[in-house]
Amino acid sequence: SAVISQKPSRDICQRGTSLTIQCQVDSQVTMMFWYRQQPGQSLTLIATANQGSEATYESGFVIDKFPISRPNLTFSTLTVSNMSPEDSSIYLCSVERGGVEQFFGPGTRLTVL
Amino acid sequence: SQQGEEDPQALSIQEGENATMNCSYKTSINNLQWYRQNSGRGLVHLILIRSNEREKHSGRLRVTLDTSKKSSSLLITASRAADTASYFCAFTGGFKTIFGAGTRLFVKA
Repeated sequence: SAVISQKPSRDICQRGTSLTIQCQVDSQVTMMFWYRQQPGQSLTLIATANQGSEATYESGFVIDKFPISRPNLTFSTLTVSNMSPEDSSIYLCSVERGGVEQFFGPGTRLTVL
Repeated sequence: SQQGEEDPQALSIQEGENATMNCSYKTSINNLQWYRQNSGRGLVHLILIRSNEREKHSGRLRVTLDTSKKSSSLLITASRAADTASYFCAFTGGFKTIFGAGTRLFVKA
C-alpha cells in the first residue's frame, strides 16, 4: 500500500480566493492523480501529474482554474483558483502502486462561501 | 462522461442478507477495482480484478468480471451494519482510472 497525506484536511474559503492543496506520498511514484468529488457524487478525474512535465487535464478542467505542480516524485500540489461555491467538493490525490492498484489520500474538504 | 454506470444507486437490506452491486463500463480495461467510502471520507481499496480474471474472493467479498459484457459485480455476503457505506467501481484502461457513479448501501441492524 501507499501512505498518502493531504493538507489541509478541510477549509472554508471566500469566493474569488484560491486554495492550494498539498499531497505527500511516502515513496517515489511516477504518476499522481487529482480527483474531485462533488457532494453526493462519484469521483471525477481532474488531471494526471507526472514529475518534470505539464499535467494532463481531463475534459472540462483547465490549467488556469486548477494549476498543478509536481516538483519531485513524492509531492504534488493542486490549486483551486478564483473559487466559487460550485467548487465546494472533496479533492483527493492518488497514486498507483505496481502499475495496478490505486491508493487515495484522505481528501481535502473544501467549502466556498 | 467520465463515469461508468452502477446499479442500484441505493440499496437497503437487513443485516445478514447479501448485497449485490453492478458496474458497467464502455472502454477496454486493464483491471477493475472496488472501493468503499464511509460518509464522504477517504476511499478504502477493497479488491482488484484483472482483465484476464473472471472471479475473485476476499473474505466476505466476491467480485466477478465479464469483459464481453463490460460489466462487474460486487457481492457482499452476510452483511453487517458496519458495511453501510458507498461503494464505487473504478476501471483502469491505459493510465487513467475512471469511477462508476457509486451505490449507497444501507444495512439495517
